[in-house]
Amino acid sequence: DAKTTQPPSMDCAEGRAANLPCNHSTISGNEYVYWYRQIHSQGPQYIIHGLKNNETNEMASLIITEDRKSSTLILPHATLRDTAVYYCIALTNAGKSTFGDGTTLTVKP
Amino acid sequence: NAGVTQTPKFQVLKTGQSMTLQCAQDMNHEYMSWYRQDPGMGLRLIHYSVGAGITDQGEVPNGYNVSRSTTEDFPLRLLSAAPSQTSVYFCASSYVGGSTEAFFGQGTRLTVV
Repeated sequence: DAKTTQPPSMDCAEGRAANLPCNHSTISGNEYVYWYRQIHSQGPQYIIHGLKNNETNEMASLIITEDRKSSTLILPHATLRDTAVYYCIALTNAGKSTFGDGTTLTVKP
Repeated sequence: NAGVTQTPKFQVLKTGQSMTLQCAQDMNHEYMSWYRQDPGMGLRLIHYSVGAGITDQGEVPNGYNVSRSTTEDFPLRLLSAAPSQTSVYFCASSYVGGSTEAFFGQGTRLTVV
């Protein structure tokens, strides 16, 4: 599975969009990009995933560059409850995944 | 539908003791895995299984054993606990395949003294 690189921390104002970047320059053609988040040391929670196309669900949007070497998770209207560690992973199987240290997102009032 | 259930939630062991962390899922997932998370760090894969009778090592398998006799259960055994194994342990399950989310348990917080 490809290695991913994320900034260690980011801040966002409540109500604004949070844009979390992820680099995965060695991603292969059959690897999906997944995003999870972990709140207060609970078990990680799935957010969204994609292969090539941009994806949107009720929680977030995922923008994948055309060359697939990077992606951005967008939380359109961040709330205080979105404060968490966000993990970007690239893998061919959702179970066998290697998590890096993620990005700690702090949403501020 | 309980999802992924881990027991116990908390455990304190003495160095050298052995114990088994339990993980059960009721979603008929083929794939199950164990992670450990040390303070301030991400999750590291210990062992995983693609189905009953099949297991394999992850990044940090030393000191841990697993077995998968049923689809539902994937216990993690600490053979001889060491202080370096103090961590939070997460179990996850999913269907096999690239486009499927993993479900995580709520974790077991283990302290080895």
